[in-house]
Amino acid sequence: NAGVTQTPKFQVLKTGQSMTLQCAQDMNHNSMYWYRQDPGMGLRLIYYSASEGTTDKGEVPNGYNVSRLNKREFSLRLESAAPSQTSVYFCASSAPGRLDGYTFGSGTRLTVV
Amino acid sequence: GQQLNQSPQSMFIQEGEDVSMNCTSSSIFNTWLWYKQEPGEGPVLLIALYKAGELTSNGRLTAQFGITRKDSFLNISASIPSDVGIYFCAALNYGGSQGNLIFGKGTKLSVKP
Repeated sequence: NAGVTQTPKFQVLKTGQSMTLQCAQDMNHNSMYWYRQDPGMGLRLIYYSASEGTTDKGEVPNGYNVSRLNKREFSLRLESAAPSQTSVYFCASSAPGRLDGYTFGSGTRLTVV
Repeated sequence: GQQLNQSPQSMFIQEGEDVSMNCTSSSIFNTWLWYKQEPGEGPVLLIALYKAGELTSNGRLTAQFGITRKDSFLNISASIPSDVGIYFCAALNYGGSQGNLIFGKGTKLSVKP
């Protein structure tokens, strides 16, 4: 089925470990986004990529890096995980001018101990 | 920065009751969106509003774009158990940065059969 695929679905890290969250979309969307969701905080934008080859910081970028590998894939990297990064991470994509095409993946639940 | 104030934070209602939630901001937006998130899933778009004063329905859901462009509400009529989830408002000024879709903190809806 067409959509946004995130891997892994669950991950437990120790403080200081690194990992990369993967996201891929097969809808030929130009723009991709990474959000984190915390209880009572809603969805906060970490980084986004308006098009292949560009990335920009969102509201809460500290502690993260991203790579827009190609049009389909947008990865989020935690270089040195901290307990404050325990959260549910969502990737999304959209086509230009099509706000009703803002599609989310099913999320990665990350716990940093 | 821009913020969306969504209320109520949570609702506990009886099956068959109508539900109303709203979102306000001190900033003007030209697009309002309503999403629903079910447990373990990403948000899914319910209704998109693009014009001040616009009233749009999707089945038992009705949403309006406030005339001042600073608010929006969502009504659910005759609630059923599958309406359970978290409802998010989101807003955007299209034409600006691709990354400036911002979210309210959500309204958690519980429905008693």
